[in-house]
Amino acid sequence: EVQLVESGGGLVQPGGSLRLSCAASGFTFSAYSMNWVRQAPGKGLEWVSYISSSTIYYADSVKGRFTISRDNAENSLFLQMDSLRAEDTAVYYCARRMSGSYKSFDIWGQGTMVTVSS
Amino acid sequence: EIVLTQSPGTLSLSPGERATLSCRASQSVSSSYLAWYQQKPGQAPRLLIFGASSRATGIPDRFSGSGSGTDFTLTISRLEPEDFAVYYCQQYGSSPPGFTFGPGTKVDIK
Repeated sequence: EVQLVESGGGLVQPGGSLRLSCAASGFTFSAYSMNWVRQAPGKGLEWVSYISSSTIYYADSVKGRFTISRDNAENSLFLQMDSLRAEDTAVYYCARRMSGSYKSFDIWGQGTMVTVSS
Repeated sequence: EIVLTQSPGTLSLSPGERATLSCRASQSVSSSYLAWYQQKPGQAPRLLIFGASSRATGIPDRFSGSGSGTDFTLTISRLEPEDFAVYYCQQYGSSPPGFTFGPGTKVDIK
């Protein structure tokens, strides 16, 4: 079964750091580009970051504070979040970009909650 | 940066009715890069439509997508009880490179 499982969320103080992980299974992880997408409580979806074999993109709202990485040997995706702000409070999803020329996200994890509060 | 606008914000319909959801882009979007997702409370989003008009695996044929350029539409031909949810459109843009989602349309039971 194709699956993504996020972990690492929790409560952190403003200015703090957190590292999210996403474990992939059921597919050849190294062959796919991956993303982080977040959703603040009661709000819509916001794309956060993208990583392929050679390219990394960030949303302006997290640029310079968040770092995306991957370990293909461990089938894992990561998001290092530094200098966290209250507005980073959200459910964070990892999502696989589907193969081919389409830039849609065909597989999503269940999400991990990050709360930034003092 | 391309901005997506979805309308209406909320659509109140009864089971069996037809739902027409709109997604408008501030600049032209490649059809290959336009997708629709469904999200139910407490669940992750689910890909419905990619490439503006292709159904994702396992998606019933009552869901269809159309459009090009700046105007795209998701149509649900006959609403089933499980279709009441929030629907998001999403696009990829190259300048700057990245992805954006629309604000969503909530389809609720009338």
